[in-house]
Order: sequence, then structure tokens, then C-alpha cells
Amino acid sequence: QITLKESGPTLVKPTQTLTLTCTFSGFSLSTSGVGVGWIRQPPGKALEWLALIYWDDDKRYSPSLKSRLTITKDTSKNQVVLTMTNMDPVDTATYYCAQQTTVVTPFGYWGQGTLVTVSS
Amino acid sequence: AIRMTQSPSSLSASTGDRVTITCRASQGISSYLAWYQQKPGKAPKLLIYAASTLQSGVPSRFSGSGSGTDFTLTISCLQSEDFATYYCQQYYSYPRTFGPGTKVDIK
Repeated sequence: QITLKESGPTLVKPTQTLTLTCTFSGFSLSTSGVGVGWIRQPPGKALEWLALIYWDDDKRYSPSLKSRLTITKDTSKNQVVLTMTNMDPVDTATYYCAQQTTVVTPFGYWGQGTLVTVSS
Repeated sequence: AIRMTQSPSSLSASTGDRVTITCRASQGISSYLAWYQQKPGKAPKLLIYAASTLQSGVPSRFSGSGSGTDFTLTISCLQSEDFATYYCQQYYSYPRTFGPGTKVDIK
């Protein structure tokens, strides 16, 4: 059974750096083709794809946020970490991590999401 | 980036209705198109991938079609549990963009 769960602060101040951790089970991020990504959703708005890391450490980022994002993995801990710098109130959103089984499949498994509010 | 659009943005329907949602990509994406269902306060759920392949466990009243730039999601006989927001997503290129969503609510 594949599960993913996001963890991190619920409240950050403007200009601070956000660090979110996705802890997963039921699969290995060392298996060929597997990827774990991050998606966010501001309250009442649409989904926005942020970043993705593959089993071979290939990393992909949203061009509009690339300068602020870093995605890393710790295969031994079954974790993927997303950092976002210079947080702003417009970054207030529910952040999801999700898994894709191969390079050419969409996200089949999602975490429950974690709401991050940016406010002073 | 490939831009995804959906129509309508919302619709009202009754249980038993046939519902069709359209998704369009700003450039060709072959069949690298997924549909997700999202209910309030919940994570999205994958319904369809490769434009027309039903994810395991998804009821057969859901179907998808299309290729290239134009795609449709059809719910053949709307059930009460189908009232939700539906998103399309292309996974042909990076960034893997989502459509703006279509909210299906009760008439």
C-alpha cells in the first residue's frame, strides 16, 4: 500500500524559507522510473505543479518558481524535501506531494496535503 | 509551458445526467492527459490517464477521449458522489500543467 504524508510548518512569515517534507511508504525512490512531486493549491483556486524529483536524481521545476525552489530526496529515509525561499502571502496554499510510477504516468498517489499560511 | 483550458468552468446537473467536460491544450500533447477528481478538503484522485485509460477502481461511468489538443471527460450517469471539481493535467512536457478545473454541482 502506497502512502505519502506531508509535514512542515503551518505558518511562516513573509521572506522566510519554507521547508516541507514528504514521507512515503509502499515504494522506493530508487526504483527506476519512480518520481515524487509537489503540487500546491491556494484556497479556492486551481492546482499548480511545482517540482518533481526522479529515482535517478533528475529534478524538474516550474519555470515561474524555479529560482525559489529546491527539491531533494533521501532514499534511505523515504523522504522528499521541498524548500521554497522568500515566502509571500500569495504562497498561502495547501501543499501536496504525490507519486508517479514511471516517467510517462501522472500522479497516481497523493498525500493528504498540508496548509501553509504566510502571514506576519 | 503548455497552457491547459477547461470548459465549462462550472455546471449544474442532476443525478442521472450525462455530463461532458472539455479540456484543451495549447499545443499537441499526444495522449499524455490525465483527469482528476477533487472533493472539498481532499486530495485529488486520479480517474483517467493516457486520455482514455480508467485508473483501477474507478467506476465505468467515467470515460475519457481525445488526443492531440482536445480531450473530453464524460460521466455517463451522474451519481451523488460525483459532485466535485475535475481537473485535467498534461504530462507530455515540463512543467506538468493543470487545467483551471470544472466544478460539478447539484442543480
